[in-house]
Amino acid sequence: QSALTQPASVSGSPGQSITISCTGTSSDVGSYNLVSWYQQHPGKAPKLMIYEVSKRPSGVSNRFSGSKSGNTASLTISGLQAEDEADYYCCSYAGSSPVFGGGTKLTVL
Amino acid sequence: QVQLVQSGAEVKKPGSSVKVSCKASGGTFSSYAISWVRQAPGQGLEWMGRIIPILGIANYAQKFQGRVTITADKSTSTAYMELSSLRSEDTAVYYCARDLGGIAARYAFDIWGQGTMVTVSS
Repeated sequence: QSALTQPASVSGSPGQSITISCTGTSSDVGSYNLVSWYQQHPGKAPKLMIYEVSKRPSGVSNRFSGSKSGNTASLTISGLQAEDEADYYCCSYAGSSPVFGGGTKLTVL
Repeated sequence: QVQLVQSGAEVKKPGSSVKVSCKASGGTFSSYAISWVRQAPGQGLEWMGRIIPILGIANYAQKFQGRVTITADKSTSTAYMELSSLRSEDTAVYYCARDLGGIAARYAFDIWGQGTMVTVSS
């Protein structure tokens, strides 16, 4: 299985909204609603932000939302805040095991 | 709230093996799948495999088949990941992570260990 494709970097100003895409194939993102998103700050373990495409775990801000269309999943962060600056990874079930995206570095300008 | 606490950093020679532990405290252990995910320096996340302790069933990513063994000890609420035939490319931080779906894997990892740095160097 190949890694899911994410943009290497995205940026936005405080208060703005940004969207990170995660492109897979009909064998992973396109076939299963088992897409999750993780936030990782430097030197820290990843944190689950979205699961099953669009569900938010308890305690995660409603500024984070997820969606999927065809073979592409998306993470949208609205009302950007300085603490949102981090790496973001998508993950999808791919039939026998999960596969991660390469990661996107979000810079808050 | 469940916490996952991993064993400490390791330095290994090429060709040797490493065994990393992941101890759960503060909640149910056996009825949740525990996965192992690694991250090479400056790189992304890579799923290695998982175990469901209550069933004792493990499955592995194809890339690691034959080289990784994941086990669990229900009596101590501890999961283990052993990687053999180590090479320099195995230098990474290794994480254990709980699947929030319980036995029915949702491949959504809601609780993570703090990570264990494994360095492979001659």
